[in-house]
Amino acid sequence: AQSVTQPDIHITVSEGASLELRCNYSYGATPYLFWYVQSPGQGLQLLLKYFSGDTLVQGIKGFEAEFKRSQSSFNLRKPSVHWSDAAEYFCAVGNTPLVFGKGTRLSVIA
Amino acid sequence: EAQVTQNPRYLITVTGKKLTVTCSQNMNHEYMSWYRQDPGLGLRQIYYSMNVEVTDKGDVPEGYKVSRKEKRNFPLILESPSPNQTSLYFCASSPWGHPYGYTFGSGTRLTVV
Repeated sequence: AQSVTQPDIHITVSEGASLELRCNYSYGATPYLFWYVQSPGQGLQLLLKYFSGDTLVQGIKGFEAEFKRSQSSFNLRKPSVHWSDAAEYFCAVGNTPLVFGKGTRLSVIA
Repeated sequence: EAQVTQNPRYLITVTGKKLTVTCSQNMNHEYMSWYRQDPGLGLRQIYYSMNVEVTDKGDVPEGYKVSRKEKRNFPLILESPSPNQTSLYFCASSPWGHPYGYTFGSGTRLTVV
């Protein structure tokens, strides 16, 4: 069965610092992988997705993620965090249906 | 504009009073799904539909019903709501068989007292 683990429930970073959010998945075949962001009181917005090909994918808002098959990971990164990036981030695997991780809440401090 | 529209955004109701949360999409997507989001549990799938008149249970279907009479609409029905159904609900849609990811509605925050 598909599953997603986001090991970090809450992360706090300083504005301007780099960010890495971890995601590990379990999937029987080549996975489709996604990162979504949910700002407070909002719905979920797709940041980026991986289907195949280049293992480093670029998304919106300056985010990128790297697929590592050997580690079953799809970690999300951003070189310099802005205060507006404070939100909850969800990793997901699959297609129809999508299976979501429990999320990582990102706080940004000045 | 391509979108998934949920109504209402907020709802407070009493235990046992039947309610329906509507979901409509304008993208001609075959696949539609309902999720509930609870703190510490992430998003859990309630029901999904692969096309008109084709629905199936997700991970947490107890206490919910759905219908898919038209391709664009996928209402979520709580026939006898209970306090443990207090949650944030999301409807989502996607083309079937294409890994484009879901388009989500803005959410419905339901409180059952």
